[in-house]
Amino acid sequence: SQELEQSPQSLIVQEGKNLTINCTSSKTLYGLYWYKQKYGEGLIFLMMLQKGGEEKSHEKITAKLDEKKQQSSLHITASQPSHAGIYLCGADRSGTGNQFYFGTGTSLTVIP
Amino acid sequence: DTEVTQTPKHLVMGMTNKKSLKCEQHMGHRAMYWYKQKAKKPPELMFVYSYEKLSINESVPSRFSPECPNSSLLNLHLHALQPEDSALYLCASSHLSAKNIQYFGAGTRLSVL
Repeated sequence: SQELEQSPQSLIVQEGKNLTINCTSSKTLYGLYWYKQKYGEGLIFLMMLQKGGEEKSHEKITAKLDEKKQQSSLHITASQPSHAGIYLCGADRSGTGNQFYFGTGTSLTVIP
Repeated sequence: DTEVTQTPKHLVMGMTNKKSLKCEQHMGHRAMYWYKQKAKKPPELMFVYSYEKLSINESVPSRFSPECPNSSLLNLHLHALQPEDSALYLCASSHLSAKNIQYFGAGTRLSVL
């Protein structure tokens, strides 16, 4: 099984709808990072969560890290076509920044 | 300038060819990375450079040879690749104090025939 499991694997929503993506770790995390990838392109850093219970927002995207630091959620409010892409959570096995790895990914399609 | 530039964007090579992928950044980042991404899979870390020195090699076959000639440039030399090496190769960079906040290039899509 994967160390960082994301659900759902893919999501198709109507523009304007809210949605949530989950990332579950089999281990306690040093920190949890969210990235977005447009199809076939590089990744863009979205947010970093380090403390249990932490919540961060940027524009219409909110990310939370649970108290036990083993699960994170990414919530998009009033989705737009520009939100479409692949969302990846990421973490570092060592806490030193030398063993970064990504979750299984969630593909988001937003229908206008 | 928050850009990481990768060249070429596309590359087709035979199994006996030698080619190189290039990556450049001018953000003053002293950590640089190579990732490999197969279709519908997340990127997998290949190499980590810190202060132009290789610090991590994630059990990558020797047919992939990284090089960091200076703090702005990162190369990946390819030799005797296999068809299963066809993938999107991504370069990234970061500050040493925040290695998990990485800036990615658009990638080189490699096809090995």
